[in-house]
Amino acid sequence: GESVGLHLPTLSVQEGDNSIINCAYSNSASDYFIWYKQESGKGPQFIIDIRSNMDKRQGQRVTVLLNKTVKHLSLQIAATQPGDSAVYFCAERTGGYQKVTFGIGTKLQVIP
Amino acid sequence: GAGVSQSPSNKVTEKGKDVELRCDPISGHTALYWYRQSLGQGLEFLIYFQGNSAPDKSGLPSDRFSAERTGGSVSTLTIQRTQQEDSAVYLCASSPRSVVDGRRSEQFFGPGTRLTVL
Repeated sequence: GESVGLHLPTLSVQEGDNSIINCAYSNSASDYFIWYKQESGKGPQFIIDIRSNMDKRQGQRVTVLLNKTVKHLSLQIAATQPGDSAVYFCAERTGGYQKVTFGIGTKLQVIP
Repeated sequence: GAGVSQSPSNKVTEKGKDVELRCDPISGHTALYWYRQSLGQGLEFLIYFQGNSAPDKSGLPSDRFSAERTGGSVSTLTIQRTQQEDSAVYLCASSPRSVVDGRRSEQFFGPGTRLTVL
């Protein structure tokens, strides 16, 4: 759903540890999911995507897991670095060819 | 290559005035989106343009908000009779029609326009 009027949840992790950011999506018909990273003062940037016919996809230091049974998406960041500090959004394609809906976002704080 | 650009980067206006925010999408991208982001909060969908189809205006918060996209390229978001609660960062994004490295729905965001209504 829309994230209007809600403050972002925050996740604090020690540098070098692994981070797991979770996202619950609402539409069981969603067929495509994306994770975005938004650094302070910038627009969101694509990190990794996954189609609904997959349950896991790996990138460089990042892994996305999809559990369609419980409509849950997670982003795992290995060996978290200070540069990973940002707000992370999940997005689901809910209808139409290209329209996606963004989740509320999670603020990741990396403790040096 | 050139990304999505937005202008102005910052806009300060007085309550009751009208403002226009501009978005130049990536050339060739057929989909264009406007979002609003209040400080420390998530992305609020406003409006979506796809090619020549009728825009999806379902996210516009009131009839003071409108947007148009001329020639399938540049878009303008207009806010009439601005209120203090309109203060936020307005983000524009565009998306390609065709599959690009498998990323069918990836949105490319501009830097945003920070609107402050006094």
